[in-house]
Amino acid sequence: GENVEQHPSTLSVQEGDSAVIKCTYSDSASNYFPWYKQELGKGPQLIIDIRSNVGEKKDQRIAVTLNKTAKHFSLHITETQPEDSAVYFCAASITSGTYKYIFGTGTRLKVLA
Amino acid sequence: EADIYQTPRYLVIGTGKKITLECSQTMGHDKMYWYQQDPGMELHLIHYSYGVNSTEKGDLSSESTVSRIRTEHFPLTLESARPSHTSQYLCASSTLTEIPYGYTFGSGTRLTVV
Repeated sequence: GENVEQHPSTLSVQEGDSAVIKCTYSDSASNYFPWYKQELGKGPQLIIDIRSNVGEKKDQRIAVTLNKTAKHFSLHITETQPEDSAVYFCAASITSGTYKYIFGTGTRLKVLA
Repeated sequence: EADIYQTPRYLVIGTGKKITLECSQTMGHDKMYWYQQDPGMELHLIHYSYGVNSTEKGDLSSESTVSRIRTEHFPLTLESARPSHTSQYLCASSTLTEIPYGYTFGSGTRLTVV
């Protein structure tokens, strides 16, 4: 079945450094890849997304890249701040008409002040 | 501010009790979902609905049931709670008629069964 692998499971960086989280998906027909940030005690919140007809998308300090051939996509956070500390999930659409996403297993990011 | 609301936020209940977790959204989304989140963070789909009177079981087997009588309301019911049901439950909604069409999640209900 379809799956999404996400690495690393935990990531610690110094404030101001960059953080990169990587995901690999299995369904070659997936065409939409959202990223979610979950802060303590809250539900996941969509922070950026990318569609399969685009290779890169940027929104201020965060960017997502997509390599369709390798079925990889990555989240890049530059100039990290303590408020970036959270759990991040990647996801990939299932294009079988089920309107569902497969989520990665999550990355706990800690930004050290 | 949230457009999808889950109540209660926290619930501690005894074994064998019947409980209903509430989820309501004001965005007119036709698709709604329930996820169970384990302490290891993973999200497991347990139920989903594509519209009124439509409900389906998700990828993770669950003893809970759901109903969708109104577009905005998607409650989840446990007929007889057990300690193994202790978890965080997240409700989400989406529509494919707007861009972007990612999920909007509620804040979750943390359920503890003692």
